This record gives sequence, C-alpha cells and structure tokens, in this order.
Amino acid sequence: SAVISQKPSRDICQRGTSLTIQCQVDSQVTMMFWYRQQPGQSLTLIATANQGSEATYESGFVIDKFPISRPNLTFSTLTVSNMSPEDSSIYLCSVSKDYDQYFGPGTRLTVL
Amino acid sequence: AQTVTQSQPEMSVQEAETVTLSCTYDTSENNYYLFWYKQPPSRQMILVIRQEAYKQQNATENRFSVNFQKAAKSFSLKISDSQLGDTAMYFCAFMKGGAQKLVFGQGTRLTINP
Repeated sequence: SAVISQKPSRDICQRGTSLTIQCQVDSQVTMMFWYRQQPGQSLTLIATANQGSEATYESGFVIDKFPISRPNLTFSTLTVSNMSPEDSSIYLCSVSKDYDQYFGPGTRLTVL
Repeated sequence: AQTVTQSQPEMSVQEAETVTLSCTYDTSENNYYLFWYKQPPSRQMILVIRQEAYKQQNATENRFSVNFQKAAKSFSLKISDSQLGDTAMYFCAFMKGGAQKLVFGQGTRLTINP
C-alpha cells in the first residue's frame, strides 16, 4: 500500500488568486495522479504527473490553469490558478502501486 | 473511451442486512481492472476491492464480494452483514491495463440504518 499526505487539508481563497496543493508519498512511485471532485460529484482526472517529464492533462484541463510539478519520486504539487468559484472542489492526489491506486485525504478548496 | 455507470444514486438498508450495489461499464479493451472505492464523510477514498478482468473467480475481501460478469460488462458489489461504518459513498472505477488512471462512476450513497 501507500501512505499519502496532502497540504493544506482545506482552504478558503479569494477569486483571482492561486493555491498550491502539496502531495507527499511514503515511497517512490513512477506516476502520481491529480483528481478533482466537485460538490456532490464523482472524481475526474485532471492530469498524470511523471517524474522528469511534463504532466499529461485530460481533456478539459490545461496547464495554464492547473500547473503541476513533480520534482522527485515522492512529491508533487498542483496549483489552481486564477481561481473562480467554479474551482471550489476537493482535489485529491493518488498513486498507483501493484495495480491498486491509493488516494490522499484530499484538499477541500472553497473560492469566494 | 471507457464509461462507468452506477444506476443507483442512493440506497438504504438496515444494519446486518445484505446489500448489492450495481455497476456497468463499457469498454473495447480486453485487459483491464475494476475497483470499488468507499468514501465516508471524512472524504478519504478507501479501496474496497479489485477485480482483474482476466480472472474468472470473483474477488472477495471479508464481508465484501463482487459479482463480475465480463460478457455483460457488469460489476456489482455485495456487502454482507452490513455495519453502521459501511455508510458512505461507493464508487465503481475502471482502469485499462497499463494505463493506471481511473475512470469513475457517478457513485451510490449507501446508508446503513440502526
């Protein structure tokens, strides 16, 4: 399995600002994933982050809005840029190990 | 593209009863994995069970078991002897072999009543 931590656990932000979410894993992993869960909805993949290469974004998500860093095999960040109230969601990072995918506790973001 | 459908938005049963959550999926892939995740109010996503498509035997984890019907593209979760702590959102998810990213269904909100 994998133990994943995220910071911050929650935040309230003003529109037009940016927030960087950190994700730390207790072991080295090749791929890390960032998901968004809008209120009352299911999870949608934002992007896949590989160490040493640019993140791969899913349809509907762009790098300018959600820049991702992956400086090493245990850490990644997701930035939500120029936020609007529509960005209010839970953001979760996850990692894949042995065909199973494990999730962090999530970051609850509220944009006013 | 793969799609996952959970047709039951909400379910409610009494404690100790057995409950079955439904999930269907659509794919042209032959190598894939299916999962059930539990998300309690704490919002932590917890892996409940995994099924490999190439395995005919249904996966089982304690009180949780699946009924995997590959031809029908159906993957239901059975919870036996339900407990109050089973109250949560349950998500069915699909992963193409080698892709590692998950496609989720819409979720089923399960409530276990005392």
